[in-house]
Amino acid sequence: GQQLNQSPQSMFIQEGEDVSMNCTSSSIFNTWLWYKQDPGEGPVLLIALYKAGELTSNGRLTAQFGITRKDSFLNISASIPSDVGIYFCAGMNNNAGNMLTFGGGTRLMVKP
Amino acid sequence: DAGITQSPRHKVTETGTPVTLRCHQTENHRYMYWYRQDPGHGLRLIHYSYGVKDTDKGEVSDGYSVSRSKTEDFLLTLESATSSQTSVYFCAISPLETAEAFFGQGTRLTVV
Repeated sequence: GQQLNQSPQSMFIQEGEDVSMNCTSSSIFNTWLWYKQDPGEGPVLLIALYKAGELTSNGRLTAQFGITRKDSFLNISASIPSDVGIYFCAGMNNNAGNMLTFGGGTRLMVKP
Repeated sequence: DAGITQSPRHKVTETGTPVTLRCHQTENHRYMYWYRQDPGHGLRLIHYSYGVKDTDKGEVSDGYSVSRSKTEDFLLTLESATSSQTSVYFCAISPLETAEAFFGQGTRLTVV
């Protein structure tokens, strides 16, 4: 099946620093999504990307749909303590049904 | 939570017993999904539904069955619970037009 490799697996950063994480796939996706999950909660959608090369922002978050359609990147600028959580990428290939494949997650920890 | 309710939120059951988890939505979205989340594995798709009485298997469907008799309800049944099915189960919904899936708060299931 499709595989999504998400890196890094975890990050421990200082408040105010910028954060970058990425996902790479062995196959092409038509859609990339980025989610954040807080402890004890379900994942919450942050950004959706639908076109190769697309760059989309949501506040301090910016995500890009890689030009090869096999990767995506999420950047968080000027991190704050409430950014703590697990970030997941997810990809969908419409030719394979409306199913998402998830990366393993990046655990972000922010030191005040 | 985009109008998604999972029940129960927590359950402890004995090995060999049947268990049913319920997902209820008020958004009238066509697609509904059941995922399980385990440390080191991220979110894995169990089954999904693309309409009333229309369901299909996901990546980890063995030992699980689903039913969707109404648009708003999607049931996940563990036919004979095993300890390996101890996990957090998430329901998600998405409309036909986009890939954007919205998640419930999860059900923590412990099989003893």
